[in-house]
Amino acid sequence: NAGVTQTPKFQVLKTGQSMTLQCAQDMNHEYMSWYRQDPGMGLRLIHYSVGAGITDQGEVPNGYNVSRSTTEDFPLRLLSAAPSQTSVYFCASRTPTGIPNYGYTFGSGTRLTVV
Amino acid sequence: GENVEQHPSTLSVQEGDSAVIKCTYSDSASNYFPWYKQELGKRPQLIIDIRSNVGEKKDQRIAVTLNKTAKHFSLHITETQPEDSAVYFCAAMGFKTIFGAGTRLFVKA
Repeated sequence: NAGVTQTPKFQVLKTGQSMTLQCAQDMNHEYMSWYRQDPGMGLRLIHYSVGAGITDQGEVPNGYNVSRSTTEDFPLRLLSAAPSQTSVYFCASRTPTGIPNYGYTFGSGTRLTVV
Repeated sequence: GENVEQHPSTLSVQEGDSAVIKCTYSDSASNYFPWYKQELGKRPQLIIDIRSNVGEKKDQRIAVTLNKTAKHFSLHITETQPEDSAVYFCAAMGFKTIFGAGTRLFVKA
């Protein structure tokens, strides 16, 4: 049981380049999400999904796309990278409401630098 | 919109002292309040949580208290150790999940 696997761990992009951050979970969680973490601002929700085929925008969705073709995978695409997207990105999945240990399991993070 | 205010943003304590971090939330629908610890360069990990029907929960040196009327909850760490140094995040979960901005805790040996 690997939990949430996130790749790559580090990435440097040039302004205007595109890339996909990969996220996979093996816990059969319906809910998955992407956060960005910037100094002093905590975790801000980019996009989330409540199940395969369903995605929705979070607090800071501009410049990012997601898809959820399977329960396991939830990739995040940067369409045209900008320096403002320099951040640490976390993928997270969540157990169903009401069960013990309800809460988020986070991936190991991707440190993205856009130059 | 809904938010979670977390204080202080930075906390420095001497080893062996207690540390208290407070969060205030605005969404009345919130009914679950987890705390996450994030060590430098690592992922956030759940350390303790409390549901809205409970006022206090303790796990060894850490405890969480909840005042639902006042919409605030707190993390208490007793007998702090250098390995407690990390960033701590609170969250309020209901229909939405809102994270606090984090508290950087330094425990000086």
